[in-house]
Amino acid sequence: TQLLEQSPQFLSIQEGENLTVYCNSSSVFSSLQWYRQEPGEGPVLLVTVVTGGEVKKLKRLTFQFGDARKDSSLHITAAQPGDTGLYLCAGLGGSNYKLTFGKGTLLTVNP
Amino acid sequence: DARVTQTPRHKVTEMGQEVTMRCQPILGHNTVFWYRQTMMQGLELLAYFRNRAPLDDSGMPKDRFSAEMPDATLATLKIQPSEPRDSAVYFCASGRAEGGTQYFGPGTRLLVL
Repeated sequence: TQLLEQSPQFLSIQEGENLTVYCNSSSVFSSLQWYRQEPGEGPVLLVTVVTGGEVKKLKRLTFQFGDARKDSSLHITAAQPGDTGLYLCAGLGGSNYKLTFGKGTLLTVNP
Repeated sequence: DARVTQTPRHKVTEMGQEVTMRCQPILGHNTVFWYRQTMMQGLELLAYFRNRAPLDDSGMPKDRFSAEMPDATLATLKIQPSEPRDSAVYFCASGRAEGGTQYFGPGTRLLVL
């Protein structure tokens, strides 16, 4: 069974601070996706990383896929209240359709 | 702006009752997924359809859950009989291809008393 561990589970910071959340596994994934989920809504895809060592930037968000394709990180620069939400990582592993989701990091950015 | 729609958005029922949740995937998408989200387990895949055919329901309790796609515009998830442990948020997602982006609906929040 493939598992994805996300840390921290909860993070509460002030507007303007930087933060990093992590997604770790002992399994190798062919690709890894990051989603953000807002209260009362479904997850929305932010990015997909495919190549080991890959770094992708989305405005103030930087995503990195580990060299061994077992882990990933999401770094947010100068966090804003609009970044508040549940951040989920999901890995595509043995099958070409089945995503394994982590339990998420609940981020609160206070004004 | 095409979206996955789910009905009902909220459902409160009593143990033993049948629950039916409906999903309209985005037009043109040929993959449909049902997920369940709880605090303890996170998001778990219950069922997967491609071109309306059920390809994976290994995540679903077989004795009480069933998933179907009567046509390309409707996917259903039924629980009969429902139990308090089924209380969760159920999401439907659709996509154009395996491994591609999955677009999630807003979810059905189910509470079984």
